[in-house]
Amino acid sequence: GDSVTQKQGQVTLSEDDFLFINCTYSTTTYPTLLWYVQYPGQGPQLLLKVTTANNKGISRGFEATYDKGTTSFHLQKASVQESDSAVYFCALVGTNTGKLTFGDGTVLTVKP
Amino acid sequence: EAAVTQSPRSKVAVTGGKVTLSCHQTNNHDYMYWYRQDTGHGLRLIHYSYVADSTEKGDIPDGYKASRPSQENFSLILELASLSQTAVYFCASSEGRATETLYFGSGTRLTVL
Repeated sequence: GDSVTQKQGQVTLSEDDFLFINCTYSTTTYPTLLWYVQYPGQGPQLLLKVTTANNKGISRGFEATYDKGTTSFHLQKASVQESDSAVYFCALVGTNTGKLTFGDGTVLTVKP
Repeated sequence: EAAVTQSPRSKVAVTGGKVTLSCHQTNNHDYMYWYRQDTGHGLRLIHYSYVADSTEKGDIPDGYKASRPSQENFSLILELASLSQTAVYFCASSEGRATETLYFGSGTRLTVL
């Protein structure tokens, strides 16, 4: 079945630091790869998606890229702000199953 | 703006008791989902539904039942709550199958004592 591995459980940065979060995935199909963000006290919301066609997605200053060779996808931001503190989940949509499979999440804390 | 509302926001239950979590959506979406979130374990799918009066098992359905009496409402039922079911529960909706965008509620924090 589909699986997503997100090893970075916690990341602590200072404002204006560079953010990089990595996920690896396993699937037998051509997936759509996603990043969700969960702000404190809220449910997760879609931040970005990357498909095997476009290899990259950009939103709100975040950029997601995809590497088919290593079956990995990344979330990065050049300069984080305190307001970016949240939990970030990678996920994939299985083409055959139609199900979202989520990673375990990365808690990002940005210090002023 | 899509809207999914959950009630209650938090609940304390006793072991062996019955718990019902409610979810209401105003998105006119066919699909609704119940997820469980545990610290360090991401989101895991418990049950989902794509039409009223029908529910499907997700990845971790044991110990949970679901009910979809109408397109707008989807409930999660714990007939005999256990300590291991302490978690945050999220309801979500989507337009269809294989969609990237799930609209989540704000969650229900359940503590079983």
